[in-house]
Amino acid sequence: EVQLVQSGAENKKPGESLKISCKGSGYGFSAYWIGWVRQMPGKGLEWMGVIYPDDSDVRYSPSFQGQVTMSADKSIRTAYLQWSSLKASDTAMYYCARFGGATFGHYHFDNWGQGTLVTVSS
Amino acid sequence: HSVLTQPPSMSAAPGETVTISCSGSSSNIGNNDVSWYQHLPGTAPKLLIYETYKRPFGIPDRFSGSKSGTSATLDITGLQTGDEADYYCGTWDTSLNGGGVFGGGTKLTVL
Repeated sequence: EVQLVQSGAENKKPGESLKISCKGSGYGFSAYWIGWVRQMPGKGLEWMGVIYPDDSDVRYSPSFQGQVTMSADKSIRTAYLQWSSLKASDTAMYYCARFGGATFGHYHFDNWGQGTLVTVSS
Repeated sequence: HSVLTQPPSMSAAPGETVTISCSGSSSNIGNNDVSWYQHLPGTAPKLLIYETYKRPFGIPDRFSGSKSGTSATLDITGLQTGDEADYYCGTWDTSLNGGGVFGGGTKLTVL
């Protein structure tokens, strides 16, 4: 069974750094892109970007380029999303998801993590 | 605002059929496959439709997807109270240096 298990909820202050994780199991982790999706309170889903764990190739959405960093450690089957200096506007639920489809044009997220709630408040 | 346009809300009675639309352009829906997701409060989104019309294992055939030109639709027949959720379309957009996009979401109420 494919599973993506995310790290727990975080409460941080503005300016602090943060790294959340997404551990995959039940499939060849290195061979599938992993994506990150943001959902701000009361808002819709936003595509942040994807990373290919085998070589750490990353494609960021223009809206998130420079705002976050995606990384992966294929040896422990884990993808990461990190911030160097959080803002209150980063408060959101963050989901990781496995990227299905043989090409980008066939993109879909076929398995999702349970989400990590990040709250940034002074 | 989202690159893909969905109606913000829709409502229908149990047993009825609802069609949720997703409008885009030639740089996204017009030249790429579409996926649909169901998002219930407090849970992770779930893939309902991929590659425009295919259903993952376990998704009932009450859910179906299609596309025409730069618009896609998700049809839900025989509505059930458990179908009350937010629904999102998604696709790849080549105008964004290659990136995925979601629609703004449609909140479906089953009266």
